Amino acid sequence: NAGVTQTPKFQVLKTGQSMTLQCAQDMNHNSMYWYRQDPGMGLRLIYYSASEGTTDKGEVPNGYNVSRLNKREFSLRLESAAPSQTSVYFCASSDTGSTTDTQYFGPGTRLTVL
Amino acid sequence: QKEVEQNSGPLSVPEGAIASLNCTYSDRGSQSFFWYRQYSGKSPELIMFIYSNGDKEDGRFTAQLNKASQYVSLLIRDSQPSDSATYLCAVPSGGGADGLTFGKGTHLIIQP
Repeated sequence: NAGVTQTPKFQVLKTGQSMTLQCAQDMNHNSMYWYRQDPGMGLRLIYYSASEGTTDKGEVPNGYNVSRLNKREFSLRLESAAPSQTSVYFCASSDTGSTTDTQYFGPGTRLTVL
Repeated sequence: QKEVEQNSGPLSVPEGAIASLNCTYSDRGSQSFFWYRQYSGKSPELIMFIYSNGDKEDGRFTAQLNKASQYVSLLIRDSQPSDSATYLCAVPSGGGADGLTFGKGTHLIIQP
């Protein structure tokens, strides 16, 4: 039982390049999330998927798109990377998405945009 | 937009003492509260969850909730060097599946 996995672990992009961050969970969870974490800013929600087939914007969605490929996988795409998107990206999942559910986090992707 | 406030620290505590971490939140309607621990370079992991007023104890950890004052705290008894980490307070952003709103975290240092 691997929990939440993310690929890649590290990535360096040039401004304007695109890339997709992959996330998968093997806990049969319904809800999945993408956060970014910046020094001094804490964790901020980018997008979430309450259940398979649905996605919604979080606090900081600009410059990102997401795809809930199936119940296990939730990807985050940067179409045209900008230096402001340099951050650590965490994927998380929870069972039912209720207000008492624990969110389990993946190991993160450290992204640098030059 | 919900807000969660924490003192960023660092908070330095001698080994064996009690570490007290505090968090205030803006939305009086918030019902549940999470404490996550994050070691440097690692992902957050849940250590405590509380939704009722009063205290909740789990081993060396005690979460305290005061909804009237919109205040939640985390006490760590018999602090160990392995407790040195950043502690994140979080509340559900909306209905639960909307994700969590996090504070910026308090950096705790346990001095041997």
